[in-house]
Amino acid sequence: AQSVAQPEDQVNVAEGNPLTVKCTYSVSGNPYLFWYVQYPNRGLQFLLKYITGDNLVKGSYGFEAEFNKSQTSFHLKKPSALVSDSALYFCAVKDYKLSFGAGTTVTVRA
Amino acid sequence: EPEVTQTPSHQVTQMGQEVILRCVPISNHLYFYWYRQILGQKVEFLVSFYNNEISEKSEIFDDQFSVERPDGSNFTLKIRSTKLEDSAMYFCASSEYGQAPQTQYFGPGTRLLVL
Repeated sequence: AQSVAQPEDQVNVAEGNPLTVKCTYSVSGNPYLFWYVQYPNRGLQFLLKYITGDNLVKGSYGFEAEFNKSQTSFHLKKPSALVSDSALYFCAVKDYKLSFGAGTTVTVRA
Repeated sequence: EPEVTQTPSHQVTQMGQEVILRCVPISNHLYFYWYRQILGQKVEFLVSFYNNEISEKSEIFDDQFSVERPDGSNFTLKIRSTKLEDSAMYFCASSEYGQAPQTQYFGPGTRLLVL
């Protein structure tokens, strides 16, 4: 079965500092990896995905993610975090469905 | 920008009652999904739907659940006899058809509370 793990329940950073949200995956075959963000009382918003090609994927709102096959990781990054980035972030892997990680709550303090 | 919509945003029902959750997927999408998120737990896949039939379903999607596309725009999830443990946020999603893994776009969710 395909799965992802998000080892951190919470990440706290100061505004303007780099933000990293970690994700590791376990798949058989090629991994199709996604990041979604959930703001309070909102649905899941797509940020970016890795299907194939460049290991550095750029997405919405200045986010990017680095696919690392040797470390089976797909960490989400933002060079300079904003207070408005505070939300719940989900990593997911796709076969016929999305299998989500448990989520990481990001808090960016002013 | 097109988006998935869901109604109602909140639903409170008594145990044993039937509920219907409604979704309007993005108009040119051909795959439709339901997921749920019990409070404090992971988002879980329930069912996928393509070409007017269920393509995949999870073990959660038992006989009390059904899905339907009654017309060209709506996609519904029916729970026939609700249980307390059905209380959750239910998300609808849709995606395009294509060879490459397509992005699923999610609606805002319906929060179901079974009393």
